[in-house]
Amino acid sequence: NAGVTQTPKFQVLKTGQSMTLQCAQDMNHNSMYWYRQDPGMGLRLIYYSASEGTTDKGEVPNGYNVSRLNKREFSLRLESAAPSQTSVYFCASSPRTGGTDEQYFGPGTRLTVT
Amino acid sequence: DAKTTQPPSMDCAEGRAANLPCNHSTISGNEYVYWYRQIHSQGPQYIIHGLKNNETNEMASLIITEDRKSSTLILPHATLRDTAVYYCIVRSAGGTSYGKLTFGQGTILTVHP
Repeated sequence: NAGVTQTPKFQVLKTGQSMTLQCAQDMNHNSMYWYRQDPGMGLRLIYYSASEGTTDKGEVPNGYNVSRLNKREFSLRLESAAPSQTSVYFCASSPRTGGTDEQYFGPGTRLTVT
Repeated sequence: DAKTTQPPSMDCAEGRAANLPCNHSTISGNEYVYWYRQIHSQGPQYIIHGLKNNETNEMASLIITEDRKSSTLILPHATLRDTAVYYCIVRSAGGTSYGKLTFGQGTILTVHP
């Protein structure tokens, strides 16, 4: 099992450019999440998908859109990148069974917006 | 979700047990205790969780006091690769806090040779 995979690992964008961060999991998990982590800070939830076909806003959704393409894949799109979106982005998934939702994280995408 | 308090840093000798404490005095009856860690530059890693009873898995043991106001994560034989920031998180199962893992400052565990 690869677990949670993310592409790309690194990306540099100019202000105003767009890009999509890809995330896939092979654990047959129901729920998927996107977080960002700024230097020296904790993780902040951007969007999540409780199950295939549903998405909901998290704590910091402005400037982002998501697509739950199927049960395995959950992508994050930046339509018009801004320097404030420079961060490390983590995707996570959870089985969401029995009421608990331990989350399994990918390796992250390090994004710099100049 | 209940607030947690952890020491900012701890040291441990390689091969010895690492005992990481967490206080969660305002925990309510339906809230679980989760432990995650983040090794430098990597994604957070789920370690273990529990409600009332002590739990053990291949990575660690979780000891929860009878009043549930504190817990201890035990790494039985710490290695250099266990050097990381360890986060204790208390949250209810599902409900409005769904998906919202709130990572506090955590405990920086340094394992020495």
